[in-house]
Amino acid sequence: DQQVKQNSPSLSVQEGRISILNCDYTNSMFDYFLWYKKYPAEGPTFLISISSIKDKNEDGRFTVFLNKSAKHLSLHIVPSQPGDSAVYFCAASEASGAGSYQLTFGKGTKLSVIP
Amino acid sequence: GAGVSQTPSNKVTEKGKYVELRCDPISGHTALYWYRQSLGQGPEFLIYFQGTGAADDSGLPNDRFFAVRPEGSVSTLKIQRTERGDSAVYLCASSLKPRMSSYNSPLHFGNGTRLTVT
Repeated sequence: DQQVKQNSPSLSVQEGRISILNCDYTNSMFDYFLWYKKYPAEGPTFLISISSIKDKNEDGRFTVFLNKSAKHLSLHIVPSQPGDSAVYFCAASEASGAGSYQLTFGKGTKLSVIP
Repeated sequence: GAGVSQTPSNKVTEKGKYVELRCDPISGHTALYWYRQSLGQGPEFLIYFQGTGAADDSGLPNDRFFAVRPEGSVSTLKIQRTERGDSAVYLCASSLKPRMSSYNSPLHFGNGTRLTVT
């Protein structure tokens, strides 16, 4: 069973507009969440993270929102640029125990930013 | 600065053969991880090293898979009697601190080794 779910396999957005990528999780022990970006033939690259004690974290054009009660997080990219076209993975980990060493990833959402 | 280096970038092998995949982590990173990404899936955890020891190998699918890190730096993932279902991209990552929630200690991934078992 998938503990981290990205239900949209793909998303197309016009350049300059906002991209919103969504992620849901089922494991209530998760308390740290990350977004990774992946280009073809490269490894995933860390983008932004958020701890469960926060509901928002912003870094330049990227903002992650966390709704703990809904077990939902989202990544907003604004304005979207063609170079943002990549696969975005949502990932989660636990605070302690074996789960704190592991990241559980979703299946990814392929973002295409159209010039 | 050098990132995580993985060799080879591609490996094609016949069913039943033995393969070794190598990972050179970022210098100074004591935590090292192996993940596997199958087609259409996200990366899945295989094993975690803190220093030379495997602190968590709960993700290894069966006893055909084994990994070592004898000097606490370079790691080798070894797969015996390969099967077609082992075909995937094997990703290595390192981090400064082992716990994911440690401030400023995300995983840094290599570009992976694409393994194809024919």
